[in-house]
Amino acid sequence: GAVVSQHPSWVICKSGTSVKIECRSLDFQATTMFWYRQFPKQSLMLMATSNEGSKATYEQGVEKDKFLINHASLTLSTLTVTSAHPEDSSFYICSAPPGLRVGDGYTFGSGTRLTVV
Amino acid sequence: AQTVTQSQPEMSVQEAETVTLSCTYDTSESNYYLFWYKQPPSRQMILVIRQEAYKQQNATENRFSVNFQKAAKSFSLKISDSQLGDTAMYFCAFTLQGGSEKLVFGKGTKLTVNP
Repeated sequence: GAVVSQHPSWVICKSGTSVKIECRSLDFQATTMFWYRQFPKQSLMLMATSNEGSKATYEQGVEKDKFLINHASLTLSTLTVTSAHPEDSSFYICSAPPGLRVGDGYTFGSGTRLTVV
Repeated sequence: AQTVTQSQPEMSVQEAETVTLSCTYDTSESNYYLFWYKQPPSRQMILVIRQEAYKQQNATENRFSVNFQKAAKSFSLKISDSQLGDTAMYFCAFTLQGGSEKLVFGKGTKLTVNP
């Protein structure tokens, strides 16, 4: 089945630095990638949608300048947390929609646990 | 806007027994998909079962089955013969038909299967 590879799986960074999270679709082309944030014991909250060849669409309340999303190619989408602060510590997950493969459901990356110290 | 409601934050069941997780949703659309996803402690999202709104027949996948009531906008998940490995967060999710639409999640139900 479809696989989305997400890296890194965990990262610790100092306050004020930037962190980049990558999601690659390994055996299919993902023209769209959804980026979610999940706090402990909570649901997934959609942050933004990246589209290959166009600007990302951000959900209301999400800071575009802090969470930079780039869909560089049909197989790579990245989320960069800029000037990270402790409150940005969270679990970030990417997900590719099924397209014509609706029966397969959405494909999720394995997630990135970000800790800002 | 579409919303998904899971009214049971936590549930527990004895191994080998049956448990039902509830989910209701709200939409004005007629063509959509519903999913149940499982998130074990590893936090990897795993598709449990899906249902197309245009299908009247309830979906089943081995020990997992759904009770889809379109008029009532209800989509419950039944787990039969519960196993210890079923312990996880379960999320009900909705998406419009199209294949590239965003998933809308409920808040989740934490299921614990006790030995």
